[in-house]
Amino acid sequence: RKEVEQDPGPFNVPEGATVAFNCTYSNSASQSFFWYRQDCRKEPKLLMSVYSSGNEDGRFTAQLNRASQYISLLIRDSKLSDSATYLCAVNRKAAGNKLTFGGGTRVLVKP
Amino acid sequence: EPEVTQTPSHQVTQMGQEVILRCVPISNHLYFYWYRQILGQKVEFLVSFYNNEISEKSEIFDDQFSVERPDGSNFTLKIRSTKLEDSAMYFCASSGSRQGRGTDTQYFGPGTRLTVL
Repeated sequence: RKEVEQDPGPFNVPEGATVAFNCTYSNSASQSFFWYRQDCRKEPKLLMSVYSSGNEDGRFTAQLNRASQYISLLIRDSKLSDSATYLCAVNRKAAGNKLTFGGGTRVLVKP
Repeated sequence: EPEVTQTPSHQVTQMGQEVILRCVPISNHLYFYWYRQILGQKVEFLVSFYNNEISEKSEIFDDQFSVERPDGSNFTLKIRSTKLEDSAMYFCASSGSRQGRGTDTQYFGPGTRLTVL
């Protein structure tokens, strides 16, 4: 089983709609969780950290389910500019703080 | 807003040559990282560096690779004898302020695209 798995998509989303997708992780010792956004051939840009209580940043909501070992990202009122690949990343401080990334979920927002 | 910078943006080299990729992490960060992303694949961890030594490295980071913090601002990745399969985007990242907050939130530079011919 891969350490971090994501549905590669693409998720084709009408502008203004809501889209949600998950990321599963296999290592129960994972401590910190993140969503990054990556545009084509660019660097991962931090979208949000994911806290145990869940957190929201504008139109973006992230949840963590430790029991089932997954995190989720929900995007409300999708904009054309939300089209990107969303990378899930998990961190273990004991492993030199390394981030392990999923393969990404591609989201295409269409007018 | 402080950011990680990397040079060059694109490096083309012949197989067997040495390359040095350069990074300037965010100035008050203490932890530094290199990742790579082969075209169409996931971002992969290479190495983490703290307090002037490697704290973790992956299986990819073999004897051909080395890292150095030659001064107070630069962080470099050297590949001694490049192979075709080293062609990838190499990202530097940093985290962890001196105030001890946010040690695990990593910020990435724009990357160096390495092409080995």
